[in-house]
Amino acid sequence: EVQLVESGGGLVKRGGSLRLSCAASGFTFKNAWMSWVRQAPGKGLEWIGRIKSEADGGTADHAAPVKGRFIISRDDSKTTLYLQMNSLKTEDTGVYYCSSMIVGGNTIDHLGQGTLVTVSS
Amino acid sequence: SYELTQPLSVSVSPGQTATITCSGDKLGDKYVCWYQQKSGQSPVLVIYQDTKRPSGIPERFSGSNSGNTGTLTISGTQAMDEADYYCQAWDSGTGVFGGGTKLTVL
Repeated sequence: EVQLVESGGGLVKRGGSLRLSCAASGFTFKNAWMSWVRQAPGKGLEWIGRIKSEADGGTADHAAPVKGRFIISRDDSKTTLYLQMNSLKTEDTGVYYCSSMIVGGNTIDHLGQGTLVTVSS
Repeated sequence: SYELTQPLSVSVSPGQTATITCSGDKLGDKYVCWYQQKSGQSPVLVIYQDTKRPSGIPERFSGSNSGNTGTLTISGTQAMDEADYYCQAWDSGTGVFGGGTKLTVL
């Protein structure tokens, strides 16, 4: 069974930094591309970025609203996905979901329970 | 930037067929996924690659995609299907979600 457990959320001031972690299990993590998806309070889903497997180059792509501020990385030895968030803005407030892309075809197939990030002014 | 447009809300009576659309430029040339999000829960994939159902998703969920419109169809809708539904596609390496549709089962 695929399990994705996010941690690291909390309250941070505008301009601050936070690092989210996602512990993955139940699948071969090193072979999977992974994504982060967020959801502002009462709003829809927003894709933040994706990281490829090391076998496919290990590169990360980030959505325009977070490019240059957020960095997605992975540690395959720990089967853990990370999201380093810098220069946080109030509009970054929301639930952040770690997600796996196992089935292929660029499909985001499982999302974790999410971790709440609140950026105060 | 690429946009996906969904109706804000759809209502359906129990046992009837619910249809939720997702519109985007030449969407038929891309794969579409659909996610179900019940209140207070994480999103769940219900359709991927336009028409495929993940293991554990009931057969009453089906999808199609052609031209500029992707469609999620729920046949024999049940009260448990009441949720927000989001379509998703990729454009030039960027993930894009639709704004979401609230499905109400009256």
